[in-house]
Amino acid sequence: NAGVTQTPKFRVLKTGQSMTLLCAQDMNHEYMYWYRQDPGMGLRLIHYSVGEGTTAKGEVPDGYNVSRLKKQNFLLGLESAAPSQTSVYFCASRPAGSNSPLHFGNGTRLTVT
Amino acid sequence: AQRVTQPEKLLSVFKGAPVELKCNYSYSGSPELFWYVQYSRQRLQLLLRHISRESIKGFTADLNKGETSFHLKKPFAQEEDSAMYYCADTGFQKLVFGTGTRLLVSP
Repeated sequence: NAGVTQTPKFRVLKTGQSMTLLCAQDMNHEYMYWYRQDPGMGLRLIHYSVGEGTTAKGEVPDGYNVSRLKKQNFLLGLESAAPSQTSVYFCASRPAGSNSPLHFGNGTRLTVT
Repeated sequence: AQRVTQPEKLLSVFKGAPVELKCNYSYSGSPELFWYVQYSRQRLQLLLRHISRESIKGFTADLNKGETSFHLKKPFAQEEDSAMYYCADTGFQKLVFGTGTRLLVSP
């Protein structure tokens, strides 16, 4: 049982390049989330999904897109990377129900130059 | 909109001292509150949730609806408690985090 797996672990992009971050979970969780972690800002929710085929915006969705074509995968896309998107990105999942805790991936460190 | 506030960015204490990390929430519905911890170079992991009313690694947290608070407490801090601590509220489907408090326990 691998839990939540994020790929890649590190990436350096140039401004304007695009990339996709992959999050995979093997716990059959309904809900999946993408957060970014920045010093002094804590964790901010980018997008989330409450089921296969559904996505919703979080606090800071601009510049990102997501897709949940399969229940176990939640993809985060950057169409045209900007230096302001330099951050550590965390994916998380949890079962449906508000009392269930999040299970986090190890994070992806993205640098945009 | 739900909001979680952690007023302290850094809390520095000596080993054996009591610790209280503050968390206030503003969700108008029924809060579902959690504390997560992130040790150096590790993923975030669940520490406590208010519904469980448990003590983990000596930490406890009590929900105070009157003060809309969920402060994290430990009577005697240990060096291995040094980490980043995040308070979070699930609200409705989303999980909103505070900005985090870095706890530094010195020998």
